[in-house]
Amino acid sequence: QVQLVQSEAEVKKPGSSVRVSCKASGDSFSRYSISWVRQAPGQGLEWMGGIIPIFGSANYAQRFQGRVTITADESTSTAYMELSSLRSEDTAVYYCARARDGSSGYFAYWGQGTLVTVSS
Amino acid sequence: DIQMTQSPSSVSASVGDRVTITCRASQGVSSWLAWYQQKPGKAPKFLIYAASSLQSGVPSRFSGSGSGTDFTLTISSLQPEDFATYYCQQANSFPYTFGQGTKLEIK
Repeated sequence: QVQLVQSEAEVKKPGSSVRVSCKASGDSFSRYSISWVRQAPGQGLEWMGGIIPIFGSANYAQRFQGRVTITADESTSTAYMELSSLRSEDTAVYYCARARDGSSGYFAYWGQGTLVTVSS
Repeated sequence: DIQMTQSPSSVSASVGDRVTITCRASQGVSSWLAWYQQKPGKAPKFLIYAASSLQSGVPSRFSGSGSGTDFTLTISSLQPEDFATYYCQQANSFPYTFGQGTKLEIK
C-alpha cells in the first residue's frame, strides 16, 4: 500500500522560504513521478511541478518558475518542495501526489497535505 | 496552458439521483483526462483516469466518458458519501491543469 506522509504545518514571514517534505513508502520510489499540488483556502487545485526521482530533473509550472525547487532523495524515499520569496497569496495547503504509473500525470496517491501560512 | 472548464459549478441532488458533470478542455487532450473527488479538509481521491477507466476500488456507479475536448463524469445513483467537490484534470501536457471544481450538494 503506497503511503505519502508530509511534514507538519508551517508559519512563515513574507519574503522567506519554506521547504515541505513528502516521505513515500510501500512501493518503488524512484520509478514514479511525484508532483506538488497546492490549494489556497476555498479555492481549486493547482499543479506546481513534478519530478521522477530516478531521472532527477523536475518540470515546473511557468508561474512558479524561479521560485519553486522540487527535489527527491532516493536514499530516504523523500521528495521535497521548496518555495521562496513567499507572499500572502502563497498561503495554501500543499499536497504531494504520486503517479498511478511511471511518469503519467494521473495522481493516484496523495499525501495528507501541509498547511503553509504566510503572515507578518 | 490548457484551460479546463467544468459545468455546473454547483449542483443540488438527492440520494438515488443520476448526476452528470461536464468538463471542457481549451484544446484537445486526447483521452488524457482524470477525475477526482474531494471532501472538506481531505486530500483529493483519484476516481477515473484515461477519461473512462475506473481506478481500483472505486464504486461502479461512477463512470467517465469523452475524448478530445469534451468529457463527462456520471454518478448513476447518488449515495450519501458522494456529496463532495469533483475536479477534472488534463494529463496530456505540462503544466497539468485542473477544472475549477463542481460542488455536489444535498437537495
